[in-house]
Parts: sequence; C-alpha cells; structure tokens
Amino acid sequence: GAVVSQHPSRVICKSGTSVKIECRSLDFQATTMFWYRQFPKQSLMLMATSNEGSKATYEQGVEKDKFLINHASLTLSTLTVTSAHPEDSSFYICSARGMGQDNGEQYFGPGTRLTVT
Amino acid sequence: KNQVEQSPQSLIILEGKNCTLQCNYTVSPFSNLRWYKQDTGRGPVSLTIMTFSENTKSNGRYTATLDADTKQSSLHITASQLSDSASYICVVSASTNAGKSTFGDGTTLTVKP
Repeated sequence: GAVVSQHPSRVICKSGTSVKIECRSLDFQATTMFWYRQFPKQSLMLMATSNEGSKATYEQGVEKDKFLINHASLTLSTLTVTSAHPEDSSFYICSARGMGQDNGEQYFGPGTRLTVT
Repeated sequence: KNQVEQSPQSLIILEGKNCTLQCNYTVSPFSNLRWYKQDTGRGPVSLTIMTFSENTKSNGRYTATLDADTKQSSLHITASQLSDSASYICVVSASTNAGKSTFGDGTTLTVKP
C-alpha cells in the first residue's frame, strides 16, 4: 500500500512555456502533500507544503507565482511551473502524508525530470 | 537551527560486506527519525521510522539505531548487494512547527562486485 504516482516522469519544454506535474496518492487519502526539488548530487529541498482544500505554504525563497500548487482533492496535487527557464531544470518529487499518520511518515512519488531548453 | 548531518558523504564497499552510515541531528523537540533509500533518478523509499522510545528497528538487511540522548542514528547494512548502491537519506521531524522535516544531504553508497 501507500503508493504515490507522478506524471509525467520526464518532460522537456521550451523556455517561457508552462509545465504541469501531477502527484496522486493511489491507495490512500493524502491530507498533506509536499513538493521538493532536487539538483544533481544534492538532497531534496522542500518547496512547499499543501493541505487539501487550502492554499499551499511556500518555503522561503520559493516564488509562489512561479510555482503554482493546487491540492484540490485528497488524492491529487499539481505543481505548475510557469514561464519556465533553463534554471528551473531539475528533478521534482512529491510526497504525501495520509490521515492519521501522525508519525510523520511520508510516501514519495517517483519524481519528474524537467528539462527546459 | 535544526540540522541533520550525515557521514560519510560517500562510501564504496565490496559486495557481501557490511557497512554503517551515520546521522547526527540537532532537531528539537524530536518527533521521529526516518531513513530512506533513493536510487538514482527515483523517489526516496522508506526503510525505517523510529520515534523517541525506539532505539533499534530492522527492515530485512537494514538495521537502524537511535540514541535520542546523543542525537545520533546509524543505518547498518548487512551482506551488501549490488542493488544497495543508492543514496541513503536521514530525515528528522520535529514535534512542533507542523512536524516539519529536516533532510540530511545523504550518503552515496556504491557496492562493487
């Protein structure tokens, strides 16, 4: 159980365009979802935390108008990278925490590799 | 400031050998500590999770220990296999601040035949 999927797994887009990444919890209801960015040979950097039905909380230094997060249901969150630039190229990973998971356990998706040309 | 430091940064061992990875943290107040395995180009996969009262937990060939007094944890891998080659990440959560997690930079393990 506790499977999280992401779509797409890889995406290449041109500079200036927008890209949407989906994160789904397949077999549980995710009250909280997290979005991370990971650059090569570095650890995960938390971008934002979203709770179902409310606005996302962004980490310091993350532009909320550039990285739009929507968590409209208990099984789906989306991250839209608007007006993407080459420096946005990275590995984006989501994770989800279910109801009653007070021990802090998070289940991670497989990640999305974004390349902006 | 909450911090999680992992050592070594990287490690190379021969197949079949054992190894131990370290994690020191300053996160307070402590809630739980989790070890994840991340294969290249994939998302992290949970190995163990320990709360304050637990000082050891096993998951197959992986055994994690926790000393909440010294704020140290270790991940011991027994009889390593080639598929153990990955990054191992230590994550510590606080019991306040909405349970915010602090990630270590990870230890990159390479198992060679």
